[in-house]
Amino acid sequence: EVHLLESGGGLVQSGGSLRLSCATSGFIFKSYAMTWVRQAPGKGLEWISSVNGGGTNTYYADSVKGRFTVSRDNSKNTLYLQMNNLRAEDTAVYYCAKDLSTSSSLNFDYWGQGTLVTVSS
Amino acid sequence: QTVVTQEPSLTVSPGGTVTLTCASSTGAVTSGSYPNWFQQKPGQAPRSLIYNTDNKHSWTPARFSGSLLGGKAALTLSGVQPEDEAEYYCLLYYGGAQLGVFGGGTKLTVL
Repeated sequence: EVHLLESGGGLVQSGGSLRLSCATSGFIFKSYAMTWVRQAPGKGLEWISSVNGGGTNTYYADSVKGRFTVSRDNSKNTLYLQMNNLRAEDTAVYYCAKDLSTSSSLNFDYWGQGTLVTVSS
Repeated sequence: QTVVTQEPSLTVSPGGTVTLTCASSTGAVTSGSYPNWFQQKPGQAPRSLIYNTDNKHSWTPARFSGSLLGGKAALTLSGVQPEDEAEYYCLLYYGGAQLGVFGGGTKLTVL
């Protein structure tokens, strides 16, 4: 059974940093691209970053480019999102999602339950 | 900036049929946009329903179907059930550096 479990969220001051993790199980992690999606309170979903299965290709939304870094440790079956210079508008629930292929096609199947990041100004 | 547009809200009667659409500001949506559809209920994570235009996951109820319709991606629910009341989001793939854009979501009410 496939499981995705995000962690690392919390309350941080504006300008601060957090690292989110998405621990996975139930599939061959290195064979699938992964994506981070966020949802601000009461708002819709926003694609923010993806990484291919090998970790060699990364993609970012303009809203986070230069501040967030996606990475993965295929030996630990874990996806990461390093978030620096956080702003109030980064306040959201952050979800990880599994792609159906090794390249980032954004065809998803499984999602985690999300972790809440709150940035105080 | 690319914008993906969905109907903000739709209402359907139980047992009825409803079609949600997903339009791109860049032009017609094609299969190359790999349209995905997701269902989200309050307080829950999104759930994947349709990928790559019209492919269902093993858990996707048969009453849900995806297609391309008039230059848009479409999600049709036939024989709507009360438990289908939820927010529905589409996601389009654009390639390049900005891989994807979600639509703003459609709040489906079953009444």
